[in-house]
Amino acid sequence: ETGVTQSPTHLIKTRGQQVTLRCSSQSGHNTVSWYQQALGQGPQFIFQYYREEENGRGNFPPRFSGLQFPNYSSELNVNALELDDSALYLCASSLSPVGRTEAFFGQGTRLTVV
Amino acid sequence: GNSVTQMEGPVTLSEEAFLTINCTYTATGYPSLFWYVQYPGEGLQLLLKATKADDKGSNKGFEATYRKETTSFHLEKGSVQVSDSAVYFCALPFSGSARQLTFGSGTQLTVLP
Repeated sequence: ETGVTQSPTHLIKTRGQQVTLRCSSQSGHNTVSWYQQALGQGPQFIFQYYREEENGRGNFPPRFSGLQFPNYSSELNVNALELDDSALYLCASSLSPVGRTEAFFGQGTRLTVV
Repeated sequence: GNSVTQMEGPVTLSEEAFLTINCTYTATGYPSLFWYVQYPGEGLQLLLKATKADDKGSNKGFEATYRKETTSFHLEKGSVQVSDSAVYFCALPFSGSARQLTFGSGTQLTVLP
């Protein structure tokens, strides 16, 4: 059974550019959540996808968008990058969006915006 | 929505010392409560959880008790090791039992030999 994998592990982008981050969920998990973790802070919930539909969103602007594919993998897209978007982006998958099942996190993608 | 307040860090202890990291929460109802750990350069790992009031979660020598009367879920370990050096996060669902989590700001623990 493979865990949650994210790619790339690191990347550097210029302000104003667009970026796509990818996440492969753990086998059998149909729910993927994305979090932004700024340096020295706790993760902040961006949004969640369940069976290819957005299932909840945190306090992030529309330039943060996502997709979930039929195999339950997911992408996070950020348009018009700002310096404050520099952070560790974490993906978490779980068996369902509710209930008492555990959320498993990937290693994260470190995004630096210059 | 639910929220969590976590003890400010960093915390530095000598090996075999006793550890307490405070966490208090504000929530509607009685959601599950979690402690996550983040080792340097890694993502988050679930350390322990409690799913209802008065439950005690435990793992790797760490314990936390879900106390509804004080709305707290403090993390404790009787004897820390150098390998416990990491950042610890208290968390609970935004609302209800959803897997959308809200996290505390984290407590950096450094254990010295």
